[in-house]
Amino acid sequence: EAGVTQFPSHSVIEKGQTVTLRCDPISGHDNLYWYRRVMGKEIKFLLHFVKESKQDESGMPNNRFLAERTGGTYSTLKVQPAELEDSGVYFCASSQDLGSSYEQYFGPGTRLTVT
Amino acid sequence: QKEVEQDPGPLSVPEGAIVSLNCTYSNSAFQYFMWYRQYSRKGPELLMYTYSSGNKEDGRFTAQVDKSSKYISLFIRDSQPSDSATYLCAMILYSSASKIIFGSGTRLSIRP
Repeated sequence: EAGVTQFPSHSVIEKGQTVTLRCDPISGHDNLYWYRRVMGKEIKFLLHFVKESKQDESGMPNNRFLAERTGGTYSTLKVQPAELEDSGVYFCASSQDLGSSYEQYFGPGTRLTVT
Repeated sequence: QKEVEQDPGPLSVPEGAIVSLNCTYSNSAFQYFMWYRQYSRKGPELLMYTYSSGNKEDGRFTAQVDKSSKYISLFIRDSQPSDSATYLCAMILYSSASKIIFGSGTRLSIRP
């Protein structure tokens, strides 16, 4: 069974540009989560999809971040325009059922560098 | 104050030693407690989860939760060089809650 995959693995962009990160969850997992780790800090929650609906987006830092999950399969996270403080590693995770949020499986992450 | 406190290490022990990794937390409402292992440039890998207080064993790994002290531990027996990684404690309020709260991670090195 394939795990959570993320693309790209690494992205370097200039301040003010746009970047789109993609996450493919484990097949059959209705729940998809985005997290971020900035330098020297803990991994922090961004948002949670149940199928195509946003269940919780309380961790999204501001309106420069837009997450979508059309059709309830893969998800994209767009940052527009990117700022220096957006640099970090963005992780995607998935879990099978709403009642198994303690069993989230993580992807390898996308390392975003904003210069 | 952080919700979850974890000593960042680094922690270096000889091969075969018993390793003890710990976290404390402030919110007594947490119900599920997890340990993740993260190798360099990889995503966190779920090792174990426990519900409420008590012990749970899986091979060389034992997770322990003491809710009265708000203290969780992960013990690794017969440690191997392949156990060298960053270990993250994590917790969640209830089974359908959205977000995992992570500790900062402890970097562990097992010397051959």
